[in-house]
Amino acid sequence: DAGVIQSPRHEVTEMGQEVTLRCKPISGHNSLFWYRQTMMRGLELLIYFNNNVPIDDSGMPEDRFSAKMPNASFSTLKIQPSEPRDSAVYFCASSLWGLGETQYFGPGTRLLVL
Amino acid sequence: KQEVTQIPAALSVPEGENLVLNCSFTDSAIYNLQWFRQDPGKGLTSLLLIQSSQREQTSGRLNASLDKSSGRSTLYIAASQPGDSATYLCAPETGANNLFFGTGTRLTVIP
Repeated sequence: DAGVIQSPRHEVTEMGQEVTLRCKPISGHNSLFWYRQTMMRGLELLIYFNNNVPIDDSGMPEDRFSAKMPNASFSTLKIQPSEPRDSAVYFCASSLWGLGETQYFGPGTRLLVL
Repeated sequence: KQEVTQIPAALSVPEGENLVLNCSFTDSAIYNLQWFRQDPGKGLTSLLLIQSSQREQTSGRLNASLDKSSGRSTLYIAASQPGDSATYLCAPETGANNLFFGTGTRLTVIP
């Protein structure tokens, strides 16, 4: 199995631009998670999906952030418009059934907003 | 909101030593707690998951304990190796499907 796949691995953009991060979970996993990691705040859970349905998006920082999971093998995290304080590493993870299961993380997308 | 503290923030030990990483959390109403490892430039790897009804879990040279009532967990690494060098994060899961991460302990094992 290829594990959780994220793209792009690095993204540099200018303030105000739209950013789309992509994730492919492990095949057969029913839960998908988006995390953000910064030096100041550490690792934070932004949103997670069960069977393609968003279950808890209370970690999404503001309306500029949105996430979708149109099917079991693909999810996007979009930031529009992006701001410099959004600069962070964004991780996607998947698990079989939910938070109580072992999560498998992707390599992350390092985002820099200038 | 759950607050997770990990002590020490950084630890450097010679190869072969046994060591303990500490994690404390403010909300003891947790469902489980996971320990993760993060290598530079890579994602996280789940090491151990302890259910709230368990006291400890073991995997190879790793042993994690959980004292839910006091809001503490420890990760014990036996016979440390240079390959253990990484940042270790603990993450308790509380109700409402929330997973909170500590800021981690950066471990360096010196050959």
